[in-house]
Amino acid sequence: AQSVSQHNHHVILSEAASLELGCNYSYGGTVNLFWYVQYPGQHLQLLLKYFSGDPLVKGIKGFEAEFIKSKFSFNLRKPSVQWSDTAEYFCAVADLSGGSYIPTFGRGTSLIVHP
Amino acid sequence: KAGVTQTPRYLIKTRGQQVTLSCSPISGHRSVSWYQQTPGQGLQFLFEYFSETQRNKGNFPGRFSGRQFSNSRSEMNVSTLELGDSALYLCASADPGLVNEQFFGPGTRLTVL
Repeated sequence: AQSVSQHNHHVILSEAASLELGCNYSYGGTVNLFWYVQYPGQHLQLLLKYFSGDPLVKGIKGFEAEFIKSKFSFNLRKPSVQWSDTAEYFCAVADLSGGSYIPTFGRGTSLIVHP
Repeated sequence: KAGVTQTPRYLIKTRGQQVTLSCSPISGHRSVSWYQQTPGQGLQFLFEYFSETQRNKGNFPGRFSGRQFSNSRSEMNVSTLELGDSALYLCASADPGLVNEQFFGPGTRLTVL
């Protein structure tokens, strides 16, 4: 079964700092990739997704992610974070070649941005 | 469109009791999935229902069960509650054409004492 690793469990940044959150999955094949965000007290919501095509994906609120197939990675980036980006971030992978399209989620990364 | 709704939002139960959680998907979504979210474990998949049939199942004991009704609303039941069942239970629905893009509800916070 597919597994998803998010290397940073807790990240603390100051406003305007750059952000990169790592996400790796366990094996290749055809995958759909997602980043979800959970702001304090709010629902999980989709930040961005990759299905096919350009491996550099742009999402909402200035976030982007790059799919590197050879590294089984889908890292999330933002050039300049804001206090309002404080949230928990989850990477998810749907392994289509594995026969199940249900996404497997990583354990999440808690991001705190100091004003 | 209204989002995914879950009731109740909070529940407190004692060990040994059972509990039923409810989820109403986005209109037109026929796939409903359930996840358990705990600190440090992230989201763990429980099961998925589509057109009243369980299509996928995660690695949870048989105490966890679910069902889906003809209007796509879903319920999840946990019997013989254990302390470790304390968690946020999330329901997600998906459009039939994009079944792996999940839209999440606010969750039900279950506390087992």
